[in-house]
Amino acid sequence: QQKVQQSPESLTVSEGAMASLNCTFSDGTSNNFRWYRQHSAKGLEVLVSIFSDGEKEEGRFTAHLNRANLHVSLHIREPQPSDSAVYLCAVSITGNTGKLIFGLGTTLQVQP
Amino acid sequence: DPKIIQKPKYLVAVTGSEKILICEQYLGHNAMYWYRQSAKKPLEFMFSYSYQKLMDNQTASSRFQPQSSKKNHLDLQITALKPDDSATYFCASSQERTGGSQNTLYFGAGTRLSVL
Repeated sequence: QQKVQQSPESLTVSEGAMASLNCTFSDGTSNNFRWYRQHSAKGLEVLVSIFSDGEKEEGRFTAHLNRANLHVSLHIREPQPSDSAVYLCAVSITGNTGKLIFGLGTTLQVQP
Repeated sequence: DPKIIQKPKYLVAVTGSEKILICEQYLGHNAMYWYRQSAKKPLEFMFSYSYQKLMDNQTASSRFQPQSSKKNHLDLQITALKPDDSATYFCASSQERTGGSQNTLYFGAGTRLSVL
């Protein structure tokens, strides 16, 4: 069964510095990976989706996928205090894109 | 305006009681889902519906019963509530349940349930 782990558990960066978040998964046959953001007491906001090895950019958010290494990362360029939130990695079950397996998340704090 | 509406936002219940969590989506999607987020645990898939039919059930307990009265509604009835049911319950929707890579799930803001 697909298992998803995220690191670090928490991360503090200064405004404007690059933030890098990591996600490892156990089943390399999945081809549907998404990063969500969750602000306190709010719903999830999808940031970037990636479906093949390589890089996918959405604004200031870039995902890198390497299925051979069972790894997907998220890089946030020029983070702002409003980016402070919990970032969740989600991997879909092969053939069932509606069923997502989530990691526990990385809590990002961006200091002014 | 939010496109997935969950009601209520907060809910406090007594052990043994029954509650219904409401979800409506205005995205024109054909698939809807329930996920649960308990303290110290990752978001966990519970149910998926496609065209108002139950497709996947990952919840062991029959105390959790989804109900779809309309295509854009998927409520969650929870009976005989226990303190362990305390969690935030998220409703989500997507264009289809399966399908291609573009099938993004969009989530509501959640209902935070506390069972005393």
